[in-house]
Amino acid sequence: LAKTTQPISMDSYEGQEVNITCSHNNIATNDYITWYQQFPSQGPRFIIQGYKTKVTNEVASLFIPADRKSSTLSLPRVSLSDTAVYYCLVVPSGNTGKLIFGQGTTLQVKP
Amino acid sequence: ETGVTQSPTHLIKTRGQQVTLRCSSQSGHNTVSWYQQALGQGPQFIFQYYREEENGRGNFPPRFSGLQFPNYSSELNVNALELDDSALYLCASSSGGEAFFGQGTRLTVV
Repeated sequence: LAKTTQPISMDSYEGQEVNITCSHNNIATNDYITWYQQFPSQGPRFIIQGYKTKVTNEVASLFIPADRKSSTLSLPRVSLSDTAVYYCLVVPSGNTGKLIFGQGTTLQVKP
Repeated sequence: ETGVTQSPTHLIKTRGQQVTLRCSSQSGHNTVSWYQQALGQGPQFIFQYYREEENGRGNFPPRFSGLQFPNYSSELNVNALELDDSALYLCASSSGGEAFFGQGTRLTVV
């Protein structure tokens, strides 16, 4: 499974837009890019998944360039409750159970 | 709420003992995966069960074993506990789509 690289930590303030970039240089043709959010002492929670271009849901947007070697998770107008660890994963199509997590990005939102 | 339930929520065991952790998957999900998450690290894949058969295993020794039952619930068994087994153990269920995680079991080995 392709390995991902993302910043260890980020700081932001309430109301700002936060962009977390992830690199996945060895992504395969049938791989999807998936982001999870995890709060302390809880299981990870699915945020968004995409294959190419742009995907948007009620929580976030995911931007994927044409070469798919990187992706950017965009969180609009963050609040204190968005303080969490965010994981970028590359997941083969239909293989959602065998997830390979990195260290993730710890996002700290300040008042 | 994800519909995935794990029990117990917390557990303290002594080195050398055995432990069984349980997971009830979300209704309709036939695949269950188990993960170990040490403090400050991302979850590490232990193994996956699909329709009662092991369907993939991570880099964990044989003393980590599991079962999946006809109702797709699952157990994780760890024998000969070591101090380094102290972690949050997560169960995730899926059925071809996204994986839904439970709240985890916090295991402390002393």
